[in-house]
Amino acid sequence: GAVVSQHPSWVICKSGTSVKIECRSLDFQATTMFWYRQFPKQSLMLMATSNEGSKATYEQGVEKDKFLINHASLTLSTLTVTSAHPEDSSFYICSAGTSGRAGTGELFFGEGSRLTVL
Amino acid sequence: QKEVEQDPGPLSVPEGAIVSLNCTYSNSAFQYFMWYRQYSRKGPELLMYTYSSGNKEDGRFTAQVDKSSKYISLFIRDSQPSDSATYLCASYSGGYQKVTFGTGTKLQVIP
Repeated sequence: GAVVSQHPSWVICKSGTSVKIECRSLDFQATTMFWYRQFPKQSLMLMATSNEGSKATYEQGVEKDKFLINHASLTLSTLTVTSAHPEDSSFYICSAGTSGRAGTGELFFGEGSRLTVL
Repeated sequence: QKEVEQDPGPLSVPEGAIVSLNCTYSNSAFQYFMWYRQYSRKGPELLMYTYSSGNKEDGRFTAQVDKSSKYISLFIRDSQPSDSATYLCASYSGGYQKVTFGTGTKLQVIP
């Protein structure tokens, strides 16, 4: 399968600071990337869909000013958690789909980034 | 009602057993069905990707979809301790529609 790289895998920050998480498709061009959040013992919660060169589409209840998403190229999407607070502590996972494959469903996931806000 | 329902387990089986993991879904528009394996503190890994009803086999894994009953299954033959993980089922209707995930079933294969 295709490879999606996510960085950093683990980050600890102080409350009030901003944290950027990168998601890269290494061997394919990802026209669409997805950002998920996962709480312990719960499933993946879609936060937003980012399309290369356009604004991200956020799911209901997700603060777009808190979670800034940029998809500036076909291989890179970034999620910035602004003014992070302890309740933002979670496991964030990105995934990518390619237009050359069967649309959304054949998603390839990054390794995830665990954010801990002190 | 959640669109995709999955028993969270945990499910414990002895090594070598046949494992059956199941999900039900409610959205008749779903056409594509996936199974992901997620190890602790890792991102999900795509195991099986199927379209419409029928069976698909890949090594020790068999995915089965019955659209008439809205039931999807994953069978693991000759289960190994390395199969211990959380298994997520997922579905979507096609194109670039949102994928809906189940809550995951935690599987433990005991040596």
